[in-house]
Amino acid sequence: DSGVTQTPKHLITATGQRVTLRCSPRSGDLSVYWYQQSLDQGLQFLIHYYNGEERAKGNILERFSAQQFPDLHSELNLSSLELGDSALYFCASSVAEGPGNIQYFGAGTRLSVL
Amino acid sequence: GNSVTQMEGPVTLSEEAFLTINCTYTATGYPSLFWYVQYPGEGLQLLLKATKADDKGSNKGFEATYRKETTSFHLEKGSVQVSDSAVYFCALTARESARQLTFGSGTQLTVLP
Repeated sequence: DSGVTQTPKHLITATGQRVTLRCSPRSGDLSVYWYQQSLDQGLQFLIHYYNGEERAKGNILERFSAQQFPDLHSELNLSSLELGDSALYFCASSVAEGPGNIQYFGAGTRLSVL
Repeated sequence: GNSVTQMEGPVTLSEEAFLTINCTYTATGYPSLFWYVQYPGEGLQLLLKATKADDKGSNKGFEATYRKETTSFHLEKGSVQVSDSAVYFCALTARESARQLTFGSGTQLTVLP
């Protein structure tokens, strides 16, 4: 158990809908990262928050947004969902954000858009 | 930009065979290098890491050496077990964008008894 909790484990929804994925980082970790894993794109970095502030953006669509709350949990919001958004979404956390920092991953949320 | 190239899979070995999974990278400066493992239905777990040239990361019988001259970080294990069956990802964090992991495509390993 990594100590990173993601809910829900599975999400099935329809095109055009909006969903929220939730992540609770390990106790004491200030950094939260979101990644998308799909068969065609592999593992792609989406966004990083550190202590409530957005620090880096990767290949995140404009339809997607995220935030980190004062209690350090994070939410990833996906809207106007398309079939191609079906993927496994991982959250990871780390103590800080420097090079060599170890990121601990949650078990993921599997999103199926029908 | 930064990138990681991994040996294409899948790889199938018999128990107690020697394992090598090749990984090469492209990055500016001196990245930190990682191997993560993903067991079926689970998230990624850190297997080992190295943060500077010639460092050797090791864990659970797996080893990888940071080779700056060949920009490589190949994963090796002398004797694999059925329980090692999983997907292995090579990854890096680059100095100038030290926040996110850049992953390779992953290598599926199946070990047969």
